[in-house]
Amino acid sequence: NAGVTQTPKFRILKIGQSMTLQCTQDMNHNYMYWYRQDPGMGLKLIYYSVGAGITDKGEVPNGYNVSRSTTEDFPLRLELAAPSQTSVYFCASSYDLINYGYTFGSGTRLTVV
Amino acid sequence: GESVGLHLPTLSVQEGDNSIINCAYSNSASDYFIWYKQESGKGPQFIIDIRSNMDKRQGQRVTVLLNKTVKHLSLQIAATQPGDSAVYFCAENLSGGGADGLTFGKGTHLIIQP
Repeated sequence: NAGVTQTPKFRILKIGQSMTLQCTQDMNHNYMYWYRQDPGMGLKLIYYSVGAGITDKGEVPNGYNVSRSTTEDFPLRLELAAPSQTSVYFCASSYDLINYGYTFGSGTRLTVV
Repeated sequence: GESVGLHLPTLSVQEGDNSIINCAYSNSASDYFIWYKQESGKGPQFIIDIRSNMDKRQGQRVTVLLNKTVKHLSLQIAATQPGDSAVYFCAENLSGGGADGLTFGKGTHLIIQP
């Protein structure tokens, strides 16, 4: 049981490049989330999903896209990277809405130059 | 502004002492609160949670206190150890809130002095 796995751990992008941050969980959790964490700040919700085929915007969705074709995978796509997207990205999953023991991945540190 | 926040960004304590980390929330409709620990270079890790129908909950070396009257949450760590050095976040969920989940505070950095 690996929990929530994120890849890559680090990435440097040039402005305008695109990339996909991968997230997979093996706990059969329905709910999955993408957060970004800027230095000295809390976690901001980018997108979330309540199950395969269903996604919705969070607080800061601009510049990102997601898909949820399977229960296990929830990739985050950056189409035109901008310096403002320099951040640490965390994927999380949860079994239900009542017991919010989110399980977080170890994060992806992204720098856009 | 954020509905969840912390009083102090950094807290320094002596090893072996008790630590108290505070959190203020502004939404009286919040009914579920969690404390997370985030070590350097890692993702947040669940520590303990509490629902609004409780005012205290204890775990192993940790206690969470909830004061709904003044909308205040605290995390107490007993006999602080070097491994407790981390950033601690409180998070809240609104009663009847949707699947977009928790609102996180900025965090308090706990530093353990030898």
